[in-house]
Amino acid sequence: GDSVTQMEGPVTLSEEAFLTINCTYTATGYPSLFWYVQYPGEGLQLLLKATKADDKGSNKGFEATYRKETTSFHLEKGSVQVSDSAVYFCALSRNTGGFKTIFGAGTRLFVKA
Amino acid sequence: KAGVTQTPRYLIKTRGQQVTLSCSPISGHRSVSWYQQTPGQGLQFLFEYFSETQRNKGNFPGRFSGRQFSNSRSEMNVSTLELGDSALYLCASSLVQGGDNEQFFGPGTRLTVL
Repeated sequence: GDSVTQMEGPVTLSEEAFLTINCTYTATGYPSLFWYVQYPGEGLQLLLKATKADDKGSNKGFEATYRKETTSFHLEKGSVQVSDSAVYFCALSRNTGGFKTIFGAGTRLFVKA
Repeated sequence: KAGVTQTPRYLIKTRGQQVTLSCSPISGHRSVSWYQQTPGQGLQFLFEYFSETQRNKGNFPGRFSGRQFSNSRSEMNVSTLELGDSALYLCASSLVQGGDNEQFFGPGTRLTVL
C-alpha cells in the first residue's frame, strides 16, 4: 500500500541555518504530494504542494520538488527562524474514487535563537 | 470565510462508553476526512465522505463509524471506547478540484478515555 517515510526528529538548528527534511514515498500511479505544518497548540495547515513530477512547491521560504525518479519530496529552507519551530508532515494523496491522504510520522523542528 | 470547526474541543469518557464528534467543513467544501493523531502512531486516516457517501476507509475496527449530512457536516462515532482510543481527532475538508486534495484542518477534538 501507499506509504510515506520522513526523517525522524527532533531536528535542532540555530537561527539562519539551512534546513532539509527528507521525505520519500511509495505509491502506485501519480499521487499529489504535500507538506503540512503543525505549530504548537494549533491544527495542521498546508505549507506547500506539488501535483506532478518536477513540480516545485514553495511558500514562506520553504521549497520542495516532486522527484518521481527518486520518489522523494524533500523540504528545504535556506535560513530558518525561531518562528519555524513546529512539526512538519509529508503527505501524499491519490484519487482512488475518493481521496485518501497518507501522512508521514512527522518531524519536529526546534530553532534556537 | 470561516474555517473548519470541530465540537467539542475536549472530551473525557470512560471505557465502554460511546462518543460522537462533529465537524463543520468550510462552506462549499463537500469532502470531509477524519484522522486520528497519537504520539505513537502519528496521523492515521479514518475515513473520507463526499456527498453523504463514504468513499474511503482506513484500517480501523468497526467501532469507528461516521456519516455526512446533506449540508456536508460530518459526525464520527466511536462505540465501546477503549483506553487506546485516547487521541486527537482531526477533521479536514476539501474542495476536491483539480485532481488533488488540498485539505483544510480543524483544531481537533481531544478525547481522553479513562
